[in-house]
Amino acid sequence: DTVLTQSPALAVSPGERVSISCRASEGVNSYMHWYQQKPGQQPKLLIYKASNLASGVPARFSGSGSGTDFTLTIDPVEADDTATYFCQQSWNDPFTFGSGTKLEIK
Amino acid sequence: QVQLKESGPGLVQPSQTLSLTCTVSGFSLTSNSVSWVRQPPGKGLEWMGAIWSGGSTDYNSALKSRLSISRDTSKSQVFLKMNSLQTEDTAIYFCTRAITMMGAFDYWGQGVMVTVSS
Repeated sequence: DTVLTQSPALAVSPGERVSISCRASEGVNSYMHWYQQKPGQQPKLLIYKASNLASGVPARFSGSGSGTDFTLTIDPVEADDTATYFCQQSWNDPFTFGSGTKLEIK
Repeated sequence: QVQLKESGPGLVQPSQTLSLTCTVSGFSLTSNSVSWVRQPPGKGLEWMGAIWSGGSTDYNSALKSRLSISRDTSKSQVFLKMNSLQTEDTAIYFCTRAITMMGAFDYWGQGVMVTVSS
């Protein structure tokens, strides 16, 4: 299975720029997607196919990368962005998710 | 308006079979795939399997021997059945819709908490 590795946690101040990384154990082409999950809620799609903004998602969110290294960037960060962020690949079977990066806003 | 809603028992005994239903609206099961994703309390997400728009299925190899996904297009429902449940199967179970040809999940149900316990 394709293992997706994410940093466990990050802390930033409002107004700053934050980059959340996801590294795949094997190539996933550009089929990497990003989700935001707040406590008690279902995940919400932010970015699909590496860099495409999902419907209704603010332009503060952006994605980049291809192959094995991908980044979700939030610029500028707002207090409401406190959440866990997951990457997910759909190039290799089975689909897999990263373990999540918990973002704290100071 | 696209919606998905999971339903099923909240408590299942060990070694028993879990049966869940996902009722969808706002789209056709013959146009989009539906996947099941689960999340143990406080942990990450695991893709369990999918039923594609054409009706074929695909399963996570880790669960394949225990899992079955089917659908009734006339009722806009997708079904999950998983047997031989153990305590480690305790999780929130979500059904999700994928963007066609992308494998990204753009709509999610609220999830149903399933506890495996005697």
